[in-house]
Amino acid sequence: KAGVTQTPRYLIKTRGQQVTLSCSPISGHRSVSWYQQTPGQGLQFLFEYFSETQRNKGNFPGRFSGRQFSNSRSEMNVSTLELGDSALYLCASSLRQGPEKLFFGSGTQLSVL
Amino acid sequence: DQQVKQNSPSLSVQEGRISILNCDYTNSMFDYFLWYKKYPAEGPTFLISISSIKDKNEDGRFTVFLNKSAKHLSLHIVPSQPGDSAVYFCAASRGFKTIFGAGTRLFVKA
Repeated sequence: KAGVTQTPRYLIKTRGQQVTLSCSPISGHRSVSWYQQTPGQGLQFLFEYFSETQRNKGNFPGRFSGRQFSNSRSEMNVSTLELGDSALYLCASSLRQGPEKLFFGSGTQLSVL
Repeated sequence: DQQVKQNSPSLSVQEGRISILNCDYTNSMFDYFLWYKKYPAEGPTFLISISSIKDKNEDGRFTVFLNKSAKHLSLHIVPSQPGDSAVYFCAASRGFKTIFGAGTRLFVKA
């Protein structure tokens, strides 16, 4: 069974641009969560989608948005990029919502110059 | 608002000895706790979990202890191996949300 796939692996953008990251969950998994990892901050929760609906959202500004498609694939968009958005963005999937172990992709490393 | 805290950024242990990684949480509503391991350039992978109705869960060399009154959990690795060198994240879950700590980098010296 293929794991969680995130594309692209690396991305370099400049301030003010926007970016879209993609995540394909494990086949059959319907819940997709997004996390931002920065040094010293651990994994900060962005949002979680289940059956194409955002079910939960972290404390990030509205510049961060996402969506989930009918095949459970998910995209995350960041508009008007700032230097502080440079981070590793991780996507995780699980079979259901609720307290379950998450399966993570390798992440997209975003650098904002 | 750090609801899950891992106060030790790093830990160094000799091969064969015990590694103890600690985690504190503030929200008593958390009912499920997990540990993940992360190697460089890879996403975190699930290691072990424990429900709030238990105080201990064991899986091979890994044991997680939960002290609900102290809002504290710990991960014990015995014996530690060089391949255990990684960043370890603890996580606490309630409903649809999982909150992670900042991570502890474990170095196991051969």
